[in-house]
Amino acid sequence: GAGVSQSPRYKVAKRGQDVALRCDPISGHVSLFWYQQALGQGPEFLTYFQNEAQLDKSGLPSDRFFAERPEGSVSTLKIQRTQQEDSAVYLCASSLGTVDYGYTFGSGTRLTVV
Amino acid sequence: TQLLEQSPQFLSIQEGENLTVYCNSSSVFSSLQWYRQEPGEGPVLLVTVVTGGEVKKLKRLTFQFGDARKDSSLHITAAQPGDTGLYLCAGPKGANSKLTFGKGITLSVRP
Repeated sequence: GAGVSQSPRYKVAKRGQDVALRCDPISGHVSLFWYQQALGQGPEFLTYFQNEAQLDKSGLPSDRFFAERPEGSVSTLKIQRTQQEDSAVYLCASSLGTVDYGYTFGSGTRLTVV
Repeated sequence: TQLLEQSPQFLSIQEGENLTVYCNSSSVFSSLQWYRQEPGEGPVLLVTVVTGGEVKKLKRLTFQFGDARKDSSLHITAAQPGDTGLYLCAGPKGANSKLTFGKGITLSVRP
């Protein structure tokens, strides 16, 4: 597609439930990033992939968070045993390569843990 | 401590007014980017500034990168309601080209 596609757009999870968020980047974009954004705040880095390799996962807040991009295209962010503090918008971005190209963001998935 | 400090945090102005907002850091950046984000959407890239002292114009928006590459400003001339949104500055820091974002400036332009 022409842009970065994320699904679902909205997810309500009961505390303790596992969730999976999907990102379909722009075709040919080598770099893929996941960010977490609290209401009214800037995005916070979670993890980075170059093709299928996860090169940086320093921003993942706990071992309940796991991301994969097995074929270097679609990526999934999984959160196990969700907690209320996980409630946020999860943004996926892709890029041709170097940061000077800028990122193209998806519309995000708003996760609410109740 | 936030690497990129944006100010003011909130701004509400009348249509037709001019405004300037800021993005400051104590660190040097190789480049800085500005994004605008509307409710329910992801940030959209407005501009990348690379050279110290550089000025870039995008219609009524003027972006400047500080001479020392530690700060940037965004000036909007004759603001329109369509300019309403969250303005984010971001710069590459650390390995792997990941962008660090400021907390953003919430701009509201009243008709």
